[in-house]
Amino acid sequence: RKEVEQDPGPFNVPEGATVAFNCTYSNSASQSFFWYRQDCRKEPKLLMSVYSSGNEDGRFTAQLNRASQYISLLIRDSKLSDSATYLCVFESGGSQGNLIFGKGTKLSVKP
Amino acid sequence: DVKVTQSSRYLVKRTGEKVFLECVQDMDHENMFWYRQDPGLGLRLIYFSYDVKMKEKGDIPEGYSVSREKKERFSLILESASTNQTSMYLCASSPGEPDTEAFFGQGTRLTVV
Repeated sequence: RKEVEQDPGPFNVPEGATVAFNCTYSNSASQSFFWYRQDCRKEPKLLMSVYSSGNEDGRFTAQLNRASQYISLLIRDSKLSDSATYLCVFESGGSQGNLIFGKGTKLSVKP
Repeated sequence: DVKVTQSSRYLVKRTGEKVFLECVQDMDHENMFWYRQDPGLGLRLIYFSYDVKMKEKGDIPEGYSVSREKKERFSLILESASTNQTSMYLCASSPGEPDTEAFFGQGTRLTVV
């Protein structure tokens, strides 16, 4: 099983739609999980951390399911500006702070 | 404001050349990373450093080496550049504590001809 597997996309959705991405991880020792956003020709930037109890930031909701070893990101009321690639990231349980990235899911929000 | 600075945005080098990619961070972060990003392959970790002079191989270390003589600087070295090392190279740093954000440099697009 690969260390991290992510919905490949692309996701093409209309403005206002709700879209969800999933990401599975294989290392059960992982303790920290994140979603990063990468705009075209730009560096990745942190969107939000993912906590065990689930967390929300405006239109974005992140969830962690340790039993099934996946994280998810839900975007409600999609905006054109949400168009980007979304990367799931987790901290490898072995080394101190080693970050493993998924390949990313491309989202295009259309008018 | 955290800043991770990579020395070049664009580089063109010849096959066989020794190439140095420099990365400097100004937040006293413990951890520094070098990734390469290729279409369809995502970000792949080349090397990781969690302290001065400490390094760990990532997923694709072959053909690369690194140097971390000072905490703020992490250098990636291509000993003898090859065309399959043409890629976008991204440096990142993080404090090294759980649940803390990693910050990226703007990337270096390296073309080996």
